[in-house]
Amino acid sequence: EVQLVESGGGLVQSGGSLRLSCAASGFTFSGHEMIWVRQAPGKGLEWVSYISGSGSDIYYADSVRGRFSISRDNARTSLYLQLNSLEVEDTAVYYCVRDGRTERGSYRRFDFWGQGTLVTVSS
Amino acid sequence: EIVMTQSPATLSVSPGERVTLSCRASQSVATNLAWYQQNPGQAPRLLIYGASNRATDIPARFSGSGSGTEFSLTISSLQSEDFAVYFCQQHQKWPLTFGGGTKVEIK
Repeated sequence: EVQLVESGGGLVQSGGSLRLSCAASGFTFSGHEMIWVRQAPGKGLEWVSYISGSGSDIYYADSVRGRFSISRDNARTSLYLQLNSLEVEDTAVYYCVRDGRTERGSYRRFDFWGQGTLVTVSS
Repeated sequence: EIVMTQSPATLSVSPGERVTLSCRASQSVATNLAWYQQNPGQAPRLLIYGASNRATDIPARFSGSGSGTEFSLTISSLQSEDFAVYFCQQHQKWPLTFGGGTKVEIK
């Protein structure tokens, strides 16, 4: 059974830092690209960052580039998101999401989502 | 960035009715379009990928169609568990972008 379990959220002051973790199990972690998606309270979904299976390719949303850093440890089957210089606008539930495709030419399918971890940034 | 626009924002329907949700992209995304369902307090669930492919274990009453800039999600006969918020998402280009969502509520 595929499982994604996020942790590391909490309350932090503006300008502070947090490190989110996502423990993956039930699938060959290194074979899958991963993303982080966030959702502010009562709002829609916003893609935050992407990392390839090997970790060699990384992308960020403009809103977090230069402040957030994505990484992965395939040996530990874990995904990470380092959040620095946090702003009130970063308050959201952060989801760890798997891209379920296994062949480069096939459609992406973000098929498994963790339960999310809440990050609250106070002023 | 590709802007995704969903309509309507809210849809009031009765159980058993057929409903169609719309999603428009600001430029062509071919068929690189997904639909998600989200219930309160839960993570989104993938319903449709590649514009028209049902994800694993998704009931046949859910169907997706469209290509280019115009897409739709149809639920053939609404069940009680289908009252939720639905999001479309394009993955044609980075950044990935989502529509603002359509809330399907009980009439």
